Amino acid sequence: KAGVTQTPRYLIKTRGQQVTLSCSPISGHRSVSWYQQTPGQGLQFLFEYFSETQRNKGNFPGRFSGRQFSNSRSEMNVSTLELGDSALYLCASSFLSAGELFFGEGSRLTVL
Amino acid sequence: GQQVMQIPQYQHVQEGEDFTTYCNSSTTLSNIQWYKQRPGGHPVFLIQLVKSGEVKKQKRLTFQFGEAKKNSSLHITATQTTDVGTYFCAANNDMRFGAGTRLTVKP
Repeated sequence: KAGVTQTPRYLIKTRGQQVTLSCSPISGHRSVSWYQQTPGQGLQFLFEYFSETQRNKGNFPGRFSGRQFSNSRSEMNVSTLELGDSALYLCASSFLSAGELFFGEGSRLTVL
Repeated sequence: GQQVMQIPQYQHVQEGEDFTTYCNSSTTLSNIQWYKQRPGGHPVFLIQLVKSGEVKKQKRLTFQFGEAKKNSSLHITATQTTDVGTYFCAANNDMRFGAGTRLTVKP
């Protein structure tokens, strides 16, 4: 069974640009959640989608958005990038909402 | 949302010593999960605790959930170099993680 796949693995952007990250969950998993990980802040919850609906949202500005498609694949978008958005963005899928999380390898974003 | 406090932030031990990390919440939790992230890796699920006072063991790892379901601990007996990593608790009520405890082990 394939694990959680995140693309791209690495990317470099400049301030003001926008970025879209993709996450393909484990087959059969309908919940996808996103986290931002930085050295000083640990794992910060961004949002969770379940069956195409956003079920939970963290304390991030509106520049951070996401969506989930009918095949459970999810994307997150960050607009008007800031230097502080440089981080590892982790996606996790689970069979049930708030169930055991299976994480992808992450997308490492560097904003210059 | 609820806050989950995790301590200590860092722990450095000699191989063979024990290690414990604690999670505390100001509100009652429905359940708590524990994850381990190796350096350069991604978090991997270890266990979920649901019942008040629950204790679960995985080899040298012992997980406890407090009677009031407001705190939890992970204890590792006789640490090994393979235990190195960051241990996170997650209050899965709302999918928020503690700050993590980074464990380093000196051989």
